Amino acid sequence: GAGVSQSPSNKVTEKGKDVELRCDPISGHTALYWYRQSLGQGLEFLIYFQGNSAPDKSGLPSDRFSAERTGGSVSTLTIQRTQQEDSAVYLCASSFGTGKGNTIYFGEGSWLTVV
Amino acid sequence: RKEVEQDPGPFNVPEGATVAFNCTYSNSASQSFFWYRQDCRKEPKLLMSVYSSGNEDGRFTAQLNRASQYISLLIRDSKLSDSATYLCVVNLNYGQNFVFGPGTRLSVLP
Repeated sequence: GAGVSQSPSNKVTEKGKDVELRCDPISGHTALYWYRQSLGQGLEFLIYFQGNSAPDKSGLPSDRFSAERTGGSVSTLTIQRTQQEDSAVYLCASSFGTGKGNTIYFGEGSWLTVV
Repeated sequence: RKEVEQDPGPFNVPEGATVAFNCTYSNSASQSFFWYRQDCRKEPKLLMSVYSSGNEDGRFTAQLNRASQYISLLIRDSKLSDSATYLCVVNLNYGQNFVFGPGTRLSVLP
């Protein structure tokens, strides 16, 4: 596709259930990012993948959160044993990687509601 | 000190007004700078990159002052459609994530 594609766009889940969110980056982009944004708040960095390098997981809020990126393309963010405070929009973004002028493009997000 | 700080806002201005947003960053090694726009319940979208010499795109002008570690965005002749949150973004250019400021919300009033 032309842009970053995320699914599902909306997910309502019960507290304690696991959820998987998927991101398909722009073709040719080697860097992939996950951010979280709670209602009315700023962007919170979660995790970053660059090519075949080890991901930067420094933003993951707890060990209930994990992400993987298979084949250097599609990524899945998994939240185990969801809690109500996990309710937010999860934004995936991609870029060509490093380099001056490199810019980041976002998907439309996956809106997660934990009830 | 936060890595990227912005005017707290919100800014409420009448149509046609000129409004300026300020942003400061803490890491002097930062190399790339951007302004993004985020509409309510939408994803952030690139508004413009910020170049050392300053740059203009229609009604929007961005300035960078590396010595002061300061970035600005000027919007002239504000339109209702300019209402959004404006995010200052800094990249350190060594492969780490883009650092987003908290954003400044703008409401242009009729």
